[in-house]
Amino acid sequence: AQTVTQSQPEMSVQEAETVTLSCTYDTSESDYYLFWYKQPPSRQMILVIRQEAYKQQNATENRFSVNFQKAAKSFSLKISDSQLGDAAMYFCAYRGRAGTYKYIFGTGTRLKVLA
Amino acid sequence: DVKVTQSSRYLVKRTGEKVFLECVQDMDHENMFWYRQDPGLGLRLIYFSYDVKMKEKGDIPEGYSVSREKKERFSLILESASTNQTSMYLCASTPGTSGRGAKNIQYFGAGTRLSVL
Repeated sequence: AQTVTQSQPEMSVQEAETVTLSCTYDTSESDYYLFWYKQPPSRQMILVIRQEAYKQQNATENRFSVNFQKAAKSFSLKISDSQLGDAAMYFCAYRGRAGTYKYIFGTGTRLKVLA
Repeated sequence: DVKVTQSSRYLVKRTGEKVFLECVQDMDHENMFWYRQDPGLGLRLIYFSYDVKMKEKGDIPEGYSVSREKKERFSLILESASTNQTSMYLCASTPGTSGRGAKNIQYFGAGTRLSVL
C-alpha cells in the first residue's frame, strides 16, 4: 500500500526567507501524481502545486517550487520570499495512476511565518 | 471558480443522534469524497463516490454511510453518533479520473467541525 510521510509537524520561517517542507512517499507504481495542498486557518484546503511523475522537470508556481526526486521517493516544497499569508497547514498527497480514485495524504506540516 | 459547499461549519450533536452532513459542488464533477481530519493523523478517507448512486468505502467507513442521489450532492450520514466521531469533516470533488492534468485536482469545501457530546 502507498504511504505518504511528512516528518516535520511544525516549521517556522522568517518573513521574506525561504523554507522547505519535506515529504516522502512509498509506492510500487511508476506513474502517479503528487500534490501539495495548503489549509489556511479558515480551513478551506487549496492546491498549491502538483507534479506528474512521468515529468522530470520540477513544477513551479510563482514562489512555490518542488524538488521531485523519483528514485528517492521524495517530494519537497520550497517556499521562497515567505509571506505572512503563507502561514497554514501544508499537506502532501499522492494519487496513483488513472482509474485510481484514492488520494493519500500525509499528516501535515504547520508552517508559521514570523514577522 | 469551482465551489464545494458544506451545509454547516459547526455542528453539535448528542450521542446516539443521526447526523447528516451535506456537500454540494457546482461544477458537474464526477467524483466526490468525504474525509475526516484529526490532528496528527492528516486526512483519512471515509467514503468516495464516482457516480450517482455509486460509492466505495475508504479507509475508515465504520460508523458512517453515504448517499449520492444527484451528481452534485454527496451526503455523509452518522447513523448513531458517538463521541469518537467528534472531528473535522471535509468534502472534496474532482472532475474525473481518466487522463492527466486538471482532472486530478481535488477541490475542497470549508469543512464541518462536528462535536458529539
